[in-house]
Amino acid sequence: NAGVMQNPRHLVRRRGQEARLRCSPMKGHSHVYWYRQLPEEGLKFMVYLQKENIIDESGMPKERFSAEFPKEGPSILRIQQVVRGDSAAYFCASSYTGSADTQYFGPGTRLTVL
Amino acid sequence: AQKVTQAQTEISVVEKEDVTLDCVYETRDTTYYLFWYKQPPSGELVFLIRRNSFDEQNEISGRYSWNFQKSTSSFNFTITASQVVDSAVYFCALWTGGSYIPTFGRGTSLIVHP
Repeated sequence: NAGVMQNPRHLVRRRGQEARLRCSPMKGHSHVYWYRQLPEEGLKFMVYLQKENIIDESGMPKERFSAEFPKEGPSILRIQQVVRGDSAAYFCASSYTGSADTQYFGPGTRLTVL
Repeated sequence: AQKVTQAQTEISVVEKEDVTLDCVYETRDTTYYLFWYKQPPSGELVFLIRRNSFDEQNEISGRYSWNFQKSTSSFNFTITASQVVDSAVYFCALWTGGSYIPTFGRGTSLIVHP
């Protein structure tokens, strides 16, 4: 019973490039959440998606960031024209239902922007 | 609005000591859920426990125990006879019925010395 999968685990990009982070939820889960964690800080919510729908993107910057969760395939968090401040660990979590259900986290993608 | 306070930024203990990690929450909702997660040095987030607001029974799982007290709005986590492998950052989280997303505390870093 595979857990939440994220890839890549480590991603290095130069300023101005695009970063694409993938998340495959646990089997049977249709709710996906993305969080960002800066060094020495807690988790900051970014976006909540269900299949083909963005439910809440209140934590996601309005520019350069986008997320999707297509009918088929993993959820994608895309960061365009990355800047050094985007360097962080990005975690994906999934749950079976959306309301106060336990979220299970993936191992995270550590993005480094040079 | 909901809030989670983990006042202890870092705790340092020697192996075999008992240690309690504090979590104080604020919410006006009568229905809510509390969670604890562990983030070891490897970086992934591991789910530990989920508790709903109607169940004030304390929980014990091996060396871990949780003390939920609605009167003081606290959900404290105790590790008995700590081990080096317990070294991690521990996050407390609150999820209320009116929100799509949980609120995380800033985390407590636990260091267990041999």
